[in-house]
Amino acid sequence: GAVVSQHPSWVICKSGTSVKIECRSLDFQATTMFWYRQFPKQSLMLMATSNEGSKATYEQGVEKDKFLINHASLTLSTLTVTSAHPEDSSFYICSARGDRERYTEAFFGQGTRLTVV
Amino acid sequence: GQNIDQPTEMTATEGAIVQINCTYQTSGFNGLFWYQQHAGEAPTFLSYNVLDGLEEKGRFSSFLSRSKGYSYLLLKELQMKDSASYLCACMDSNYQLIWGAGTKLIIKP
Repeated sequence: GAVVSQHPSWVICKSGTSVKIECRSLDFQATTMFWYRQFPKQSLMLMATSNEGSKATYEQGVEKDKFLINHASLTLSTLTVTSAHPEDSSFYICSARGDRERYTEAFFGQGTRLTVV
Repeated sequence: GQNIDQPTEMTATEGAIVQINCTYQTSGFNGLFWYQQHAGEAPTFLSYNVLDGLEEKGRFSSFLSRSKGYSYLLLKELQMKDSASYLCACMDSNYQLIWGAGTKLIIKP
């Protein structure tokens, strides 16, 4: 299957700082990328959907000014958690999908465990 | 509204068979996915059903009934490494994935 690479795998940052997470599709063009957050023992929560070259669509309750998403190319999307606080500590996972007829399954990155201290 | 239901937790014995059910209500339907997720890791794809019937892939099989809004994942010859969460997800008419809460499967020796 297709490969999605997410970096970093884990990060610890101080409260008030910003953290950038990258999501790359390595062998296909990701027309759509999804960003999820997952708290312990809970399911995936979709944060936002981004299409290459356009603004991300955020789910209700997700602050777009806090979670900045950029999808500037067909192989790269970034999520920046601005002014992170301990409650932002979570497992962040990206997934990517290419042409909907050919890649109906979503391919996931490895996830990023963010700890804000 | 859109809704995916699956049991929260199931327990089974090593070597046995277990069936994890999923019922769904979505705006349109473009297929149903099953993913496996081990603790602390990202989900990995198991199966995709868009037509009614059973799809078999090794020890894992997935069934779909579109008229009933129902699917199940069948795991045979259970191994300890199958202990994980199993996520059911439907793709709606906008090709957006709607996720279930996941079923935590515990395998006992």
